[in-house]
Amino acid sequence: EAGVTQFPSHSVIEKGQTVTLRCDPISGHDNLYWYRRVMGKEIKFLLHFVKESKQDESGMPNNRFLAERTGGTYSTLKVQPAELEDSGVYFCASSKYDRAKNIQYFGAGTRLSVL
Amino acid sequence: RKEVEQDPGPFNVPEGATVAFNCTYSNSASQSFFWYRQDCRKEPKLLMSVYSSGNEDGRFTAQLNRASQYISLLIRDSKLSDSATYLCVVSPGGYQKVTFGTGTKLQVIP
Repeated sequence: EAGVTQFPSHSVIEKGQTVTLRCDPISGHDNLYWYRRVMGKEIKFLLHFVKESKQDESGMPNNRFLAERTGGTYSTLKVQPAELEDSGVYFCASSKYDRAKNIQYFGAGTRLSVL
Repeated sequence: RKEVEQDPGPFNVPEGATVAFNCTYSNSASQSFFWYRQDCRKEPKLLMSVYSSGNEDGRFTAQLNRASQYISLLIRDSKLSDSATYLCVVSPGGYQKVTFGTGTKLQVIP
């Protein structure tokens, strides 16, 4: 079974540019999460989709970040315009519908560098 | 105060040693607890879930103390391949977000 895949693995952009990150969850997983790790800090939650609906976007830092999950399959996270403080590793995770335990499976992340 | 606190280490231990990590959490309503392992520049991978009764998986033992709000991970007979960062992860339960500690770095030395 394929795991959570993220693209690109690395992205280097200049301040003010736009970047779109993509996440393909494990097939059949309705829950999809975005997290971010900035240098020296812990991994922090950004938002959570259940299928195509945003369930919790309390971690989104500001309106320069836009996440979508059209059709409830893959998700994109767009940063526009990018700022220096957006640099970090963006992780995606997915989990299936199981109220007994919500085990999240993570992708390898997209390393974003804003210069 | 951070929601989940861990000693960042690094813990440098010789092969064959026993090493223990602790993690404390601040939200008493937390219901689900996990240890994840992360190798350099790789994805966090679930090592084990943590239950009140304690659980063991080979050389790894996890314990949860709800009264004191801490979680522990014990690794016996350390192997070189155990070198990684160990992440303490806590959740309110259900499908809600999880909260990470900063991770504890372990280096097993030959």
